[in-house]
Amino acid sequence: QQQVKQSPQSLIVQKGGISIINCAYENTAFDYFPWYQQFPGKGPALLIAIRPDVSEKKEGRFTISFNKSAKQFSLHIMDSQPGDSATYFCAASSNTGKLIFGQGTTLQVKP
Amino acid sequence: DGGITQSPKYLFRKEGQNVTLSCEQNLNHDAMYWYRQDPGQGLRLIYYSQIVNDFQKGDIAEGYSVSREKKESFPLTVTSAQKNPTAFYLCASSTTGGPYEQYFGPGTRLTVT
Repeated sequence: QQQVKQSPQSLIVQKGGISIINCAYENTAFDYFPWYQQFPGKGPALLIAIRPDVSEKKEGRFTISFNKSAKQFSLHIMDSQPGDSATYFCAASSNTGKLIFGQGTTLQVKP
Repeated sequence: DGGITQSPKYLFRKEGQNVTLSCEQNLNHDAMYWYRQDPGQGLRLIYYSQIVNDFQKGDIAEGYSVSREKKESFPLTVTSAQKNPTAFYLCASSTTGGPYEQYFGPGTRLTVT
């Protein structure tokens, strides 16, 4: 029940296309859902996050869509660029503060 | 320049030796965390601390130890009891009042041969 399942494991998108990464969770106590971006050899960086009281949050080309009834949330990267090529992790947290991470998605944006 | 520093970036040790990884933050965060990352896998929580002089085991604490004597510092010791210590180790910090945004350091890559 503590797991966060992320898919796909890897993704190849053409420059200018839309990248979509999905996550699903079981624990209804989760109330904070961040996405992290990690480049090779670097620490993850917080990209965007959402709370369950909203269904969508947008920051620039990055959008989180949240479906509370389905217990799913997704990251959409619009107009994907080669510089977006990285590993993306979804995560979830309850009031314990501990983050439960998905397995990660390696995104490659082809020029 | 606020942030989290981890040192060293690369660390090499012989099997059977204990090794301590450093993590320092100047974000004035109460909570600090240690994660392990293996190739193609997500982040797994080793230990976390929400206040000075207190810490809790995460999901994979066996073979590791920590201390939290100062708010700014949370060193991780990888002991000889850790069966497969070669990995990328990440330290993070956050506030404790929510929304628990965790900020990560640059990581230490430990190789044990």
